Amino acid sequence: AQSVAQPEDQVNVAEGNPLTVKCTYSVSGNPYLFWYVQYPNRGLQFLLKYITGDNLVKGSYGFEAEFNKSQTSFHLKKPSALVSDSALYFCAVRGSGGSYIPTFGRGTSLIVHP
Amino acid sequence: GAVVSQHPSWVICKSGTSVKIECRSLDFQATTMFWYRQFPKQSLMLMATSNEGSKATYEQGVEKDKFLINHASLTLSTLTVTSAHPEDSSFYICSARPASGYQETQYFGPGTRLLVL
Repeated sequence: AQSVAQPEDQVNVAEGNPLTVKCTYSVSGNPYLFWYVQYPNRGLQFLLKYITGDNLVKGSYGFEAEFNKSQTSFHLKKPSALVSDSALYFCAVRGSGGSYIPTFGRGTSLIVHP
Repeated sequence: GAVVSQHPSWVICKSGTSVKIECRSLDFQATTMFWYRQFPKQSLMLMATSNEGSKATYEQGVEKDKFLINHASLTLSTLTVTSAHPEDSSFYICSARPASGYQETQYFGPGTRLLVL
């Protein structure tokens, strides 16, 4: 079975400060990891993914995520937050062997204050 | 880039009626489409996986006869909520996986908000 934990329901950060949205996972085999963002009343937009290669993955809108195998984590980061980054962020994972269907975390609401 | 559309974007209907939601991949072919349901401030709940030309695979607890899924072509899947009731009110999101190339990424539609009165 595969699972994703996003331990924080909400993250608050001031504009211009760095942000981190946490994600840990449990999966059989090698993990395929994803981050998506959802703006109000909209579908999910793909931000970035880790399949293999460098542990630091760069994605859209200046976001990046670091894969840490020993800690089974894939935290989303951005060096300088923007008010427009305020949204709901979902982490997803699937294992390299088995179902192609990823499991989504419950989401973390990011609020960037001006 | 890969674009997925949904129609309608929102719908209000009376209890007991049926509602059809369309999901289209606009610039790529998708052998597999997924239907999700999202409750307020909650994660996506996978309802079913739709494969072109075959029957959909439903997740446990999802009523097949209530949520009819048809994947008639490589660019279109439909979800019909039959005999809708107020508890079916939700945000329904589809996603599509490209048939060719790198298949790990799903592309999501903008969602359809359903309100059953």
